[in-house]
Amino acid sequence: AQRVTQPEKLLSVFKGAPVELKCNYSYSGSPELFWYVQYSRQRLQLLLRHISRESIKGFTADLNKGETSFHLKKPFAQEEDSAMYYCALRGQGAQKLVFGQGTRLTINP
Amino acid sequence: SQTIHQWPATLVQPVGSPLSLECTVEGTSNPNLYWYRQAAGRGLQLLFYSVGIGQISSEVPQNLSASRPQDRQFILSSKKLLLSDSGFYLCAWTRTGGHDGYTFGSGTRLTVV
Repeated sequence: AQRVTQPEKLLSVFKGAPVELKCNYSYSGSPELFWYVQYSRQRLQLLLRHISRESIKGFTADLNKGETSFHLKKPFAQEEDSAMYYCALRGQGAQKLVFGQGTRLTINP
Repeated sequence: SQTIHQWPATLVQPVGSPLSLECTVEGTSNPNLYWYRQAAGRGLQLLFYSVGIGQISSEVPQNLSASRPQDRQFILSSKKLLLSDSGFYLCAWTRTGGHDGYTFGSGTRLTVV
């Protein structure tokens, strides 16, 4: 079974501090992993994919197969990073994404 | 470019009434289409997905059904709404067989009273 766990429902950090949003997954094969973000009054949108190994808006995420994790990190948080973040997994050959419960990130000034 | 439209944005319906939410995609063909429900603290729950016209996969048993009458149209329905059907419903699409993530619609806030 595929499962995505985001252990923190809420996360609050100060502006300029490092941010790490945790994501752990359960899947026996090689997954595709994603981070989605939903800013206030905006649509849920793709932030980054592990397959692209990219940095978007200063965020990075590395797939750690040994720890089955895909944590989202940013060295210096900005107020505009406040949003709801979802981690998602797609299994090999699968047509659907499985999402975690989401983490609401608040950046304090 | 591709766009996804979802309507209505908000809906208040009495218990026992029917439901029809519509989602359409423009600028692409043969997309994979999805209906999710977003609930606070429970993340995004996949309800239905479709890989082609008339092909519907149901993920959870419930009071809802889905249909895909046209290539780029996906409809979420119910014959009789329950209070527990209240929630935020999201439609999404992705390319068939690609490694892209989903593109989501703007959502429908359904309140059953």
